[in-house]
Amino acid sequence: QLQLQESGPGLVKPSETLSLTCTVSGGSISSSSFYWGWIRQPPGKGLEWIGSIYYSGNTYYNPSLKSRVTISVDTSKNQFSLKLSSVTAADTALYYCARRPYTNYFDPWGQGTLVTVSS
Amino acid sequence: NFMLTQPHSVSESPGKTVTISCTRSSGSIASNYVQWYQQRPGSAPTSVIYEDNQRRSGVPDRFSGSIDTSSNSASLTISGLKTEDEADYYCQSYDSSHMIFGGGTKLTVL
Repeated sequence: QLQLQESGPGLVKPSETLSLTCTVSGGSISSSSFYWGWIRQPPGKGLEWIGSIYYSGNTYYNPSLKSRVTISVDTSKNQFSLKLSSVTAADTALYYCARRPYTNYFDPWGQGTLVTVSS
Repeated sequence: NFMLTQPHSVSESPGKTVTISCTRSSGSIASNYVQWYQQRPGSAPTSVIYEDNQRRSGVPDRFSGSIDTSSNSASLTISGLKTEDEADYYCQSYDSSHMIFGGGTKLTVL
């Protein structure tokens, strides 16, 4: 059964870079059938797509975050990563990683990790 | 890009049927598949419906999805409501390879 697990610092200072990793187990990140994505959810609010990546490194980003986001993949470790630069309190959220089939939905999701931006 | 608009909240009694709508602001609802996710309090979202009307494996057949081109909207219908269905529900579609979520609907079963 495919599982995804987010990891990374739970506290980031304003203006610094948020870095998270998603580890995929029970399946290969190099599968040609899937993209892999990051989604976030501010406390008490809705879901926001951040971006997606293919195992080859092809990426798509939310236009509203594109200037600050980098998503990368490490097929040797079966992981993909998120970097979000110049963070502010508005970037405080639960960050989820998920698998994305070609028909553009997310399944399954990781359990999520809370990142707080605060000095 | 288009927007997906959902009602903020809906409520219904156990055993009844409820429908949650998701209206696309521009372009045809039929142009891109619509997905639905359930998020129980304190948990990650899980897929319930994908590709407009396909139930994810393990999801009860009380859950169904549809689209209506006349209202340019998608709907999630839950019949025979159970207290365990109380959750937030999100619709999702896409524009090229950019994913778009609706704002979410809180379903209360009382």
